[in-house]
Amino acid sequence: EVVLTQSPATLSLSPGERATLSCRASQSVGNYLAWYQQKPGQAPRLLIYDASNRATDIPARFSGSGSGTDFTLTISSLEPEDFAIYYCQQRSDWPPYTFGQGTKLEIK
Amino acid sequence: EVQLVESGGALVQPGGSLRLSCAASGFSINYYWMSWVRQAPGKGLEWVANIQPGGSGTFYVDSVKGRFTVSRDDAKNSLYLQMNSLRAEDTAVYYCSRETTGEGFGFWGQGTLVTVSS
Repeated sequence: EVVLTQSPATLSLSPGERATLSCRASQSVGNYLAWYQQKPGQAPRLLIYDASNRATDIPARFSGSGSGTDFTLTISSLEPEDFAIYYCQQRSDWPPYTFGQGTKLEIK
Repeated sequence: EVQLVESGGALVQPGGSLRLSCAASGFSINYYWMSWVRQAPGKGLEWVANIQPGGSGTFYVDSVKGRFTVSRDDAKNSLYLQMNSLRAEDTAVYYCSRETTGEGFGFWGQGTLVTVSS
């Protein structure tokens, strides 16, 4: 099973700042990595697929990079609505699909 | 508009059974892999099971194999999860999700809460 480790667990930033979230895989997943955003009481929302492709209607301030075992989600300039929990997920080696444990992005 | 609406969540005793349903609208599930993903209270996401178009292939996370069964009724445009021998650790919000080929879990329902407790 592919284990995904996200860091940091919590990231405290202010609106307008740049956010950089990390996801590391226990083995290569190629570029088969996605990122999701989840707000309290809501279902997750797909942001990025295949490491660097924005999903439909996702703003350009969200970008993804990486391949193999190391991946990054960058939010170029934080908007108030971006404070949420972010999860990475791999679809390279399944079953099972696996998720990271999440990074909570909170307002500083 | 694509919509997924889960139902069937409840409080159930350990060892009990429950059947979750997911009604899809705005698209036909015929063509899609469909998944169940769960989230224990205050915890992260865990993929549970999926089923391929046509229903001939089903896959599960190890912790539910032999206890849970995923199925689909394309005529009713619905997905199901039969859960038997429930344990406390199955307590979670269960989400139905449509897998978008080549992308990931592109659409999600709002979730239904399953609580396993005596």
